Amino acid sequence: SAVISQKPSRDICQRGTSLTIQCQVDSQVTMMFWYRQQPGQSLTLIATANQGSEATYESGFVIDKFPISRPNLTFSTLTVSNMSPEDSSIYLCSVAQGPHYASYEQYFGPGTRLTVT
Amino acid sequence: DAKTTQPNSMESNEEEPVHLPCNHSTISGTDYIHWYRQLPSQGPEYVIHGLTSNVNNRMASLAIAEDRKSSTLILHRATLRDAAVYYCILNYGGSQGNLIFGKGTKLSVKP
Repeated sequence: SAVISQKPSRDICQRGTSLTIQCQVDSQVTMMFWYRQQPGQSLTLIATANQGSEATYESGFVIDKFPISRPNLTFSTLTVSNMSPEDSSIYLCSVAQGPHYASYEQYFGPGTRLTVT
Repeated sequence: DAKTTQPNSMESNEEEPVHLPCNHSTISGTDYIHWYRQLPSQGPEYVIHGLTSNVNNRMASLAIAEDRKSSTLILHRATLRDAAVYYCILNYGGSQGNLIFGKGTKLSVKP
């Protein structure tokens, strides 16, 4: 299994500002993902964080709004840019090992609860 | 992506078995069936997964229909700590492993 930590655990931000969320894993992992969970809703995948290259974004999510970095196999950041109240959500990172990703379990971080005022 | 259908909510009594159903009639041959659960105020937690055969682990059992169009997550003795939202997810074997979450089943456990 993998132990995942996220910083910050929660934050309250002003609209128009940006927040960077960090995800740290206690071991090297192949795949890292970022999800969003809006209040009372299920999880929605934002993007796959690729080590050494640009992230792969899902439909409806763009790099300018959610820039992602992954400098190595244990760390990734997600930035929520130019925030509006609609960005108030829980943001979670998850990790998975390969080589056959579909047959492996994923581990999730505790989430970052973001409130935009 | 192949979709799953789960009941919105279920109730169980403590220390009784719980059978959580999931329909996935459009499943393909390379789709793995994954179950995750999310306890209140926590990130999702892996429960179990399988491809064709029934699977058991320390948390639960997964019973997969012979035609693979449905599956059932079995909690053998529900505890209060099992109250959570349970997600049945199909993970395409050719994908990069990203999970597509549906609405899940909210399980309540009564003492």
